[in-house]
Amino acid sequence: DAGVTQSPTHLIKTRGQQVTLRCSPKSGHDTVSWYQQALGQGPQFIFQYYEEEERQRGNFPDRFSGHQFPNYSSELNVNALLLGDSALYLCASSPGLESTSYEQYFGPGTRLTVT
Amino acid sequence: KQEVTQIPAALSVPEGENLVLNCSFTDSAIYNLQWFRQDPGKGLTSLLLIQSSQREQTSGRLNASLDKSSGRSTLYIAASQPGDSATYLCAVDDYKLSFGAGTTVTVRA
Repeated sequence: DAGVTQSPTHLIKTRGQQVTLRCSPKSGHDTVSWYQQALGQGPQFIFQYYEEEERQRGNFPDRFSGHQFPNYSSELNVNALLLGDSALYLCASSPGLESTSYEQYFGPGTRLTVT
Repeated sequence: KQEVTQIPAALSVPEGENLVLNCSFTDSAIYNLQWFRQDPGKGLTSLLLIQSSQREQTSGRLNASLDKSSGRSTLYIAASQPGDSATYLCAVDDYKLSFGAGTTVTVRA
């Protein structure tokens, strides 16, 4: 059973560019959340997708957007990149609201460096 | 806004010693609390999940307690080993995870 997968592993972009990160959830999971982890800090919640809709959003600007596909995979898009967007981007999946367990499983992350 | 604090920020112990990691949170209206392990530059590995109705959860050498009323959780790791060296993060779930900054543990052989 494959766990949560993310691509790419590493990415280097220039200020002002746009980036797309991808995530495939664990088998049987239909809810995907995205987190940003700056160096030395805990992850910060960006947003969560369920049934192809954004259900919740953290304190991130509109430059951060996402999408969930019918197969539950998800993309995170960041426009007009800033140096401060350099971080490890983590994707987590969990069973849907019908489940009694809300345990979240994380992928290996995508390391984004903005120069 | 939920605030999660982990104390201490770093810990260094000799092999075999028991570890005690603390986590506190400000809003007790949570669904569950999860402890994670993170190795440098890697993703998060779930260690234990304690649902809001539970007081503790155990897995092997790991035991985590939850006191919702006081906003505290403690992770105990018995008989530490060098392989336990990592950053340990706690996260409270109120439909999204709010994380502490973590405790970085070094177990000296």
